[in-house]
Amino acid sequence: AQSVTQLDSHVSVSEGTPVLLRCNYSSSYSPSLFWYVQHPNKGLQLLLKYTSAATLVKGINGFEAEFKKSETSFHLTKPSAHMSDAAEYFCVHTSGGYQKVTFGTGTKLQVIP
Amino acid sequence: DTGVSQDPRHKITKRGQNVTFRCDPISEHNRLYWYRQTLGQGPEFLTYFQNEAQLEKSRLLSDRFSAERPKGSFSTLEIQRTEQGDSAMYLCASSLGGQAGGAFFGQGTRLTVV
Repeated sequence: AQSVTQLDSHVSVSEGTPVLLRCNYSSSYSPSLFWYVQHPNKGLQLLLKYTSAATLVKGINGFEAEFKKSETSFHLTKPSAHMSDAAEYFCVHTSGGYQKVTFGTGTKLQVIP
Repeated sequence: DTGVSQDPRHKITKRGQNVTFRCDPISEHNRLYWYRQTLGQGPEFLTYFQNEAQLEKSRLLSDRFSAERPKGSFSTLEIQRTEQGDSAMYLCASSLGGQAGGAFFGQGTRLTVV
């Protein structure tokens, strides 16, 4: 069975401070992991993906995530939050060649001016 | 716009009516996915097509739901005898081979059943 857990439903940071959005996965197979962002009234946009290459993955808009097998984690980080980062973020998991994906329940990021 | 497009963006219907949604994927993408997203939840997989073949269906897809992709291009999702519990955002995504997790999403159709 595969699942993904986003540990925080809401995260609030001040503009210019670091962002950390947490994601843990469970899977019997080698996982592929993704982060998506969803702005209000906009479609889901792929931020970055891990597919068993480098464990530190860089994405768009300054975001990156590190795959840690020992901790079964794939946390999303950004050194300095921008107001435009305020959105909902989803951690996504697939396993092997399986075409079904499992979305986390999402983390809403609030950026305070 | 060459992304995934969905129509309509919003639909309000009375309980018991049938509704149909359309998804136009990115033109060269052979894989197409339907998801449902309810308030406060992440999207849940409904079904998946490779070209015109429907290869996977979730248990969430009851007998009242049917999806087609007749020519391997656009797809339709029909819900018959709608129920209030069907109220949700219905998302379509497409990809060219590769992992389903890296698909491109449309903006969704928000269905409200009253």
